[in-house]
Amino acid sequence: KAGVTQTPRYLIKTRGQQVTLSCSPISGHRSVSWYQQTPGQGLQFLFEYFSETQRNKGNFPGRFSGRQFSNSRSEMNVSTLELGDSALYLCASSRQADNSPLHFGNGTRLTVT
Amino acid sequence: GQQLNQSPQSMFIQEGEDVSMNCTSSSIFNTWLWYKQDPGEGPVLLIALYKAGELTSNGRLTAQFGITRKDSFLNISASIPSDVGIYFCAGQNNAGNMLTFGGGTRLMVKP
Repeated sequence: KAGVTQTPRYLIKTRGQQVTLSCSPISGHRSVSWYQQTPGQGLQFLFEYFSETQRNKGNFPGRFSGRQFSNSRSEMNVSTLELGDSALYLCASSRQADNSPLHFGNGTRLTVT
Repeated sequence: GQQLNQSPQSMFIQEGEDVSMNCTSSSIFNTWLWYKQDPGEGPVLLIALYKAGELTSNGRLTAQFGITRKDSFLNISASIPSDVGIYFCAGQNNAGNMLTFGGGTRLMVKP
């Protein structure tokens, strides 16, 4: 069974640009979550989707947005990139809507110069 | 953002030794999870705990869900070199699947 797939694995962008990251969940999983991982802040929750609806949102500025499609695949977008947005962005999927373990992909490493 | 208090931050042990790490929170969680992350990869789920007082094993790993629902610990017995990595605890409540993570324990094993 394929795991969570994230593309691309690595990305280099310039300040002010925007970026879109993609995530394909485990087959049958309808919940998708996004996390930002940095050495200073650790793993921080960005947002969570279930059946194309955003259910929870973390404490990030409006430049961070996401969406989920009818096939459960998800994308997140960061506009007007800042140097501090450099991080590993992790996508996770889970089978159920609530209280279900998350299974993570290997992430997209974003570097903003 | 809120994080769980995970300790120790790092451990350097001899192969064959047992390891213990723990996580505490000021808030109650309904589920505790433990993950391991290797360099360049995402966290991998090791153990999920759903009930206060629950003790669960996965091979050489044993984890417990604290009675107060505000803490959890993970033990690794007879450590081996492939145990090297960063271990994270995470708490989860019923409203969705959002996880609150600890700061991680970096484990290094000397052969």
